[in-house]
Amino acid sequence: AQSVAQPEDQVNVAEGNPLTVKCTYSVSGNPYLFWYVQYPNRGLQFLLKYITGDNLVKGSYGFEAEFNKSQTSFHLKKPSALVSDSALYFCAVSPPGTDKLIFGTGTRLQVFP
Amino acid sequence: EADIYQTPRYLVIGTGKKITLECSQTMGHDKMYWYQQDPGMELHLIHYSYGVNSTEKGDLSSESTVSRIRTEHFPLTLESARPSHTSQYLCASSDTGVTDTQYFGPGTRLTVL
Repeated sequence: AQSVAQPEDQVNVAEGNPLTVKCTYSVSGNPYLFWYVQYPNRGLQFLLKYITGDNLVKGSYGFEAEFNKSQTSFHLKKPSALVSDSALYFCAVSPPGTDKLIFGTGTRLQVFP
Repeated sequence: EADIYQTPRYLVIGTGKKITLECSQTMGHDKMYWYQQDPGMELHLIHYSYGVNSTEKGDLSSESTVSRIRTEHFPLTLESARPSHTSQYLCASSDTGVTDTQYFGPGTRLTVL
């Protein structure tokens, strides 16, 4: 079955430190990969996506993600975390040839001052 | 400004009532989607549409129905609400390509008493 795993329910990081939110997927072929962020009582905001090409994708608000085909991973990163980055982060995968999104269970990022 | 709108943002109703959740987008997108986000925060696709008069059921079975009479409008209806329908409902839209990003509305938080 096709699936997306976000192994950490919560990630805690001090402001100014680098952050990583992990995502691995189980999808055959070459999927399209997405990251979204959700602030309290809001919808999902698009951060970035990987379709093809360079494995390092840069997105909004200083976030980037690295695609690793051999490890089937698409980890979200930011060099220096801000308190305002505290939110719920979702990884999503779109299997090849479809426009359906399969979401992970979400990771809550808490950045402490 | 191009955007996607959902009303109401919050709705508390009694069991047995008929409700309609509204979703409209001004981005000119052909594709629209409804997701249900459960208390564990996971998102599940319940309905989608590729254009006017096109509607399909998603991966998660839902007692709700949808219609697409106008490109910009994709309402979701529950004929008889039950407490099990309590959830957050998110609407999204995207352009026609399989790699196109889905953009989300702010969501409707429904509570059925």
